[in-house]
Parts: sequence; C-alpha cells; structure tokens
Amino acid sequence: AQTVTQSQPEMSVQEAETVTLSCTYDTSESDYYLFWYKQPPSRQMILVIRQEAYKQQNATENRFSVNFQKAAKSFSLKISDSQLGDAAMYFCAYRSSNFGNEKLTFGTGTRLTIIP
Amino acid sequence: DVKVTQSSRYLVKRTGEKVFLECVQDMDHENMFWYRQDPGLGLRLIYFSYDVKMKEKGDIPEGYSVSREKKERFSLILESASTNQTSMYLCASSSKEKLAKGTQYFGPGTRLLVL
Repeated sequence: AQTVTQSQPEMSVQEAETVTLSCTYDTSESDYYLFWYKQPPSRQMILVIRQEAYKQQNATENRFSVNFQKAAKSFSLKISDSQLGDAAMYFCAYRSSNFGNEKLTFGTGTRLTIIP
Repeated sequence: DVKVTQSSRYLVKRTGEKVFLECVQDMDHENMFWYRQDPGLGLRLIYFSYDVKMKEKGDIPEGYSVSREKKERFSLILESASTNQTSMYLCASSSKEKLAKGTQYFGPGTRLLVL
C-alpha cells in the first residue's frame, strides 16, 4: 500500500519570503500522480498543483512550484513571495495511474503560518 | 467550476442517533468519496463510489454506510453515532476521464459533534 509522509506538522514564513513544504511517499508503481491541496481556515480544500510521475519537468502554477525527485520519492512544494492568503493546511496526496484506482492517499498535513 | 455541496456545516447529535450526511455535486462526476479529517491524522477514506448504486469500502468503513441512488448525490450514514465519530467529514468528487487525472474536488465539510 502506498503511504505519504509530511514530516513538518507546522511551518511559518515571513510575508514575501519563500517557504518549502516537504512530502515523501512510498510506492512500488512507476506511474502515478501527486497533488498538493490547500485548506484555508474554515474554507474548502482546493487543488494547488499536480504532477504526473512520467513527466520529468517540475510543475509550476504562478508562485507555487514543486521539486519532484522520483528516485528519492520526494515531492516538495515551494511557495515564493508568500502572501497572507497562503496561510492554510497543506496536504500532499498520491494517486495511482491505474485505470479504476481513483483513491487518493493523503499525508497528515502541514499548517503554514504567514508572519506579517 | 465544479461545485460540491454538503447538507450541513455543523451538526450536533446524541450517542446512538442515526445520522445522515449528504453531498451533492453538479459536474456529472462518476466518482464520489467520503473522508474524515482529524488533527494529526490527515484525511482518511471512509467509502467511495464509482457509479450509481456502486460502493467500495475505504480505509475506515466501520460504523458507517453509504448510499448512492443518483449520480449527483452521495450520502454517508452513521448507523448509531458514537463519540469517537466526532470529526470533520469531507465529501469529494472526481471525473473518470483520463484528462482529469483523478483530481478530486471537495465540499466545504461537515463538522460533526457527537455528545
């Protein structure tokens, strides 16, 4: 079974600075998807960024980028120019690419605080 | 935009009560999921459904059941609520289309307190 580990329960960063959230996973599969989701306080969980394992290029969405190291089974999220609105719980998640296997396996989350 | 709604944001129930949590999505997604979220444990999958009237157990199905009579609606049932079922419950949906890559869209959550 796949497992996802987020070893940082809490992180903080000064506004406008850069922060990196860590995620490692364990799988025997060669093709899969990885996700970062954001859950702001009392608000809906939303997708931040997605990476397909067969793509070597790291995914980027505006100020959010990932460092995907397939051999090391590492998938970190970098947030540049941190803003107050980035304060949230961030969850890393894994999904097999096998057709019909639609489940996501989540990590335990990292609470990110932005210091004004 | 995908919209996933849940019937209640907050719910308070007594031990032993039967509890229904409802989830509706408006994007014609085939897949629907129920998770519970607890501090330090992340999201754990309770049940999911690939199609109408289909259901599969997730990682923690004990004490729960589900119903999917219509494609857009997925209900979670606590047959006899217990205090250890106090939690945040999140519903999600996703498309089977390969291009969607399994991205799940979440509802706002129901915070359930069982006294």
